[in-house]
Amino acid sequence: NAGVTQTPKFRILKIGQSMTLQCAQDMNHNYMYWYRQDPGMGLKLIYYSVGAGITDKGEVPNGYNVSRSTTEDFPLRLELAAPSQTSVYFCASSFHYGYTFGSGTRLTVV
Amino acid sequence: KNEVEQSPQNLTAQEGEFITINCSYSVGISALHWLQQHPGGGIVSLFMLSSGKKKHGRLIATINIQEKHSSLHITASHPRDSAVYICAVHLLLDSNYQLIWGAGTKLIIKP
Repeated sequence: NAGVTQTPKFRILKIGQSMTLQCAQDMNHNYMYWYRQDPGMGLKLIYYSVGAGITDKGEVPNGYNVSRSTTEDFPLRLELAAPSQTSVYFCASSFHYGYTFGSGTRLTVV
Repeated sequence: KNEVEQSPQNLTAQEGEFITINCSYSVGISALHWLQQHPGGGIVSLFMLSSGKKKHGRLIATINIQEKHSSLHITASHPRDSAVYICAVHLLLDSNYQLIWGAGTKLIIKP
């Protein structure tokens, strides 16, 4: 099925651990995004990419890194996890104005 | 000041009622989105508007570009409409188009 695939769906990390959230899309969209959503809050943009090899910071990039080596994949790396990074993470892709979202990754840092 | 303001923040209604959720924005935009987020967390795009009105089933979205205002209406509301409805505006920031999100309206429809 065409769309945006995120893995894992759930993860518990210990403080100081690192992990990579995977995001892949098969719609050949140039634009891809990572958002985080804290409880009861709206989505905040972490990083975005306008095409392979091009990434840029969003509103809340600290503590995260991204790469975009292919059009399809846009992984989000958390280094030295902190409790403040406990959140739900959404990956999305877009073409013109049409957006497609992944199902989210619920991350808890303890 | 938030660039996208939604009202109300929370709305509880009885099944069958006509629902209106409002969105106001303060900047010039190229398009406005209405999205739905169900309790399970998934986000679905409902409408993308740049002018006028769109209808899909029991959902109607309108936008007034001059007044920088959009509304989402639900007719004959049903408990399965219970979700968070999010308004997001599409605008040019730092030479790239981005979505700026409202905080969402939590809608509960009681049977």
